[in-house]
Amino acid sequence: GAGVSQSPSNKVTEKGKDVELRCDPISGHTALYWYRQSLGQGLEFLIYFQGNSAPDKSGLPSDRFSAERTGGSVSTLTIQRTQQEDSAVYLCASSLPPVPGLEREQYFGPGTRLTVT
Amino acid sequence: AQRVTQPEKLLSVFKGAPVELKCNYSYSGSPELFWYVQYSRQRLQLLLRHISRESIKGFTADLNKGETSFHLKKPFAQEEDSAMYYCARIRNEKLTFGTGTRLTIIP
Repeated sequence: GAGVSQSPSNKVTEKGKDVELRCDPISGHTALYWYRQSLGQGLEFLIYFQGNSAPDKSGLPSDRFSAERTGGSVSTLTIQRTQQEDSAVYLCASSLPPVPGLEREQYFGPGTRLTVT
Repeated sequence: AQRVTQPEKLLSVFKGAPVELKCNYSYSGSPELFWYVQYSRQRLQLLLRHISRESIKGFTADLNKGETSFHLKKPFAQEEDSAMYYCARIRNEKLTFGTGTRLTIIP
């Protein structure tokens, strides 16, 4: 079946503008994650959604970053007033519902490469 | 805080030679560790996880709690193994990644 998809694949924006990045998880996957892959910081966790529970936002680097997940499926990561240090590849992943004592495999999308000029 | 350390940013190995990619983690309870791989122009994908104790594409990784290590090994490198490798630890469904090692297999 189809894997995790993300759009756009590339985004170039001017400093100070807002951007929205989209993630379509695998059908049936209740968990959705956003990670950021940047040269200076490697791969970092940003935010985690599980079903209808409140998201775990502990990885968001500043209040300029927010994410929502509508209808338990598609998610949008929004970055307001972008800065040059926001330039990175933003990865989305999804996984099946959790099972006690078992960490589910996370399936990654191709990423969105964001460049802030 | 959980930390995953991959000391080598770059590693070059001749085809047919053994490969070892190092990974160390900060001690905290019972870790669950993974190796992820990203081939050129492909998405990040799971290579193996320590609890399954399996061999994937000839790679194995053993959890050594005494040394807090989870090194990835392969006895005979192949050209198609060239890729970026990330060691990761999961806790509460969140992955913490190492900085990655770029493995290049020299023909």
